[in-house]
Amino acid sequence: ETGVTQTPRHLVMGMTNKKSLKCEQHLGHNAMYWYKQSAKKPLELMFVYNFKEQTENNSVPSRFSPECPNSSHLFLHLHTLQPEDSALYLCASSQGLGDYEQYFGPGTRLTVT
Amino acid sequence: KNEVEQSPQNLTAQEGEFITINCSYSVGISALHWLQQHPGGGIVSLFMLSSGKKKHGRLIATINIQEKHSSLHITASHPRDSAVYICAVSYYGGSQGNLIFGKGTKLSVKP
Repeated sequence: ETGVTQTPRHLVMGMTNKKSLKCEQHLGHNAMYWYKQSAKKPLELMFVYNFKEQTENNSVPSRFSPECPNSSHLFLHLHTLQPEDSALYLCASSQGLGDYEQYFGPGTRLTVT
Repeated sequence: KNEVEQSPQNLTAQEGEFITINCSYSVGISALHWLQQHPGGGIVSLFMLSSGKKKHGRLIATINIQEKHSSLHITASHPRDSAVYICAVSYYGGSQGNLIFGKGTKLSVKP
């Protein structure tokens, strides 16, 4: 049990759909992250939140919209995605920003058709 | 050129063998992370280190800051060690908490 849960684990959506990914951490951490992992590419940071405030948007297209209502929950709202957005989306949390271990969720495997 | 390079990209070993995975980086760092990703996607943090050596069970991680190089060693390898091992660094000048990741080393340990 990593202490970080993600739902759904698998998602298939059309390019015109709107869906949301959810992440919850039970570790009392203050920082949360969204990552994208595409085949044959390194993990890519998408967004960082610290104490509910967004501290990083790594040039992510606006069709990805994050939301962090509190330090334990993180959402990624998806709309009008492209097939190239198909990937594994990973959520992580850490005690704070800086040199802390990051704890990862199991990921959501997203397929855009 | 990636700022974090791992070698080898793929590694096949027999059960019981001693395994070494290497990571080189080109930026000044404050810490280096070794992560393990099993099939299915979940990632587990194995080590975070900024100097010297750390050991946990059969896993050993070392770092040489001057040479900008780290190694992950697995002693007495077992099929359950089969996974992708990822090196990541926190770099000076980057935003706090941001990591640069290597592409990973896929390890397969045969019984």
